[in-house]
Amino acid sequence: GIQVEQSPPDLILQEGANSTLRCNFSDSVNNLQWFHQNPWGQLINLFYIPSGTKQNGRLSATTVATERYSLLYISSSQTTDSGVYFCAVYGGNQGGKLIFGQGTELSVKP
Amino acid sequence: NAGVTQTPKFRVLKTGQSMTLLCAQDMNHEYMYWYRQDPGMGLRLIHYSVGEGTTAKGEVPDGYNVSRLKKQNFLLGLESAAPSQTSVYFCASSRDRGGTQYFGPGTRLLVL
Repeated sequence: GIQVEQSPPDLILQEGANSTLRCNFSDSVNNLQWFHQNPWGQLINLFYIPSGTKQNGRLSATTVATERYSLLYISSSQTTDSGVYFCAVYGGNQGGKLIFGQGTELSVKP
Repeated sequence: NAGVTQTPKFRVLKTGQSMTLLCAQDMNHEYMYWYRQDPGMGLRLIHYSVGEGTTAKGEVPDGYNVSRLKKQNFLLGLESAAPSQTSVYFCASSRDRGGTQYFGPGTRLLVL
């Protein structure tokens, strides 16, 4: 099956700093989604991005499907950005199943 | 819209007891999913459904059963709980195959 690897596993930032999270996947995919799990456990869908670039406020994401990776950019980080960021891919032959990476745990310090 | 809701939020069971987790969505989505999340393991798919009356196995289906009698509800059952089923359970739904998934708030289950 498809393997999804995220890096770095952990990241500590000072408030206001920028960061880039990476997601590599082992096979061609139909789509890729980024999620944020806040410290209270809630999973929020950030982007549905099979290819190209999307932006939503201070967050943006780029997926280069031909090279099998996606990047999540967080600019001017805030303490509310803390939590775990997951990428998940759908390979088309998985019955709608998303395959999740292990996540990047981000901590933004004031 | 409430989106995806889950009940209960937290439950403690003794080994061998049974329980049912309820997931409800008000977005008229066809696809629904049950995941479990364990430390260091990420999210793993237990069972899923592609429409009312259908269910299918995911990565870790053993020890669980599901039912989708109504389009808006997806039930996850544990017939005989084991300590290995201590976890956080998330329900999700999507409009179509591979579409954006929306998650419920989760259910924390502790099996003693």
